[in-house]
Amino acid sequence: NAGVTQTPKFQVLKTGQSMTLQCAQDMNHEYMSWYRQDPGMGLRLIHYSVGAGITDQGEVPNGYNVSRSTTEDFPLRLLSAAPSQTSVYFCASSYSGRRDAEPQHFGDGTRLSIL
Amino acid sequence: GQQLNQSPQSMFIQEGEDVSMNCTSSSIFNTWLWYKQEPGEGPVLLIALYKAGELTSNGRLTAQFGITRKDSFLNISASIPSDVGIYFCAGLPFTGNQFYFGTGTSLTVIP
Repeated sequence: NAGVTQTPKFQVLKTGQSMTLQCAQDMNHEYMSWYRQDPGMGLRLIHYSVGAGITDQGEVPNGYNVSRSTTEDFPLRLLSAAPSQTSVYFCASSYSGRRDAEPQHFGDGTRLSIL
Repeated sequence: GQQLNQSPQSMFIQEGEDVSMNCTSSSIFNTWLWYKQEPGEGPVLLIALYKAGELTSNGRLTAQFGITRKDSFLNISASIPSDVGIYFCAGLPFTGNQFYFGTGTSLTVIP
């Protein structure tokens, strides 16, 4: 059972380039989310999805797009990378995002540097 | 957005000592979670709390859901070197689907 799989693990981009961070889960979880982790700031929610075809913005959505065409996959797209987007990105999933939901399971992260 | 204040920011302790850390919010939360993160990995869930006043243990770890619903506490007894890492609290407000995370407590255990 792979759990939450993120690819790539490391990436270096130039300002203005675009890329997609991949996230896949094999637990049939409804709820998936993307966080960024910066030093001294904990994890901040970028976007989340409560099911296929449904996405919503989190705390810091600007500069990022998401889509959820299948239950398993939740890619995060940077359309025009900026140095401020240098961070460690984590994908997480849980069975449901309701208040009584089980907690989220995290992937191992993607370390992204924007030059 | 919601603000979660986690303290202390860092701790340096001797092996065998007990550890206490806490997390407070400006509003009422429905769920409190505690995660541990080791270098190069994602956070791993330690304890989940769903009711005010709830006290839950996981081995040497004990966490409590504060009665006011605005705070939570994590204790580690008899620390060992493998306890090293960053501990995060996370909370889910009564409304919405967004978990909010604290800024983390970095724990160093000196053998």
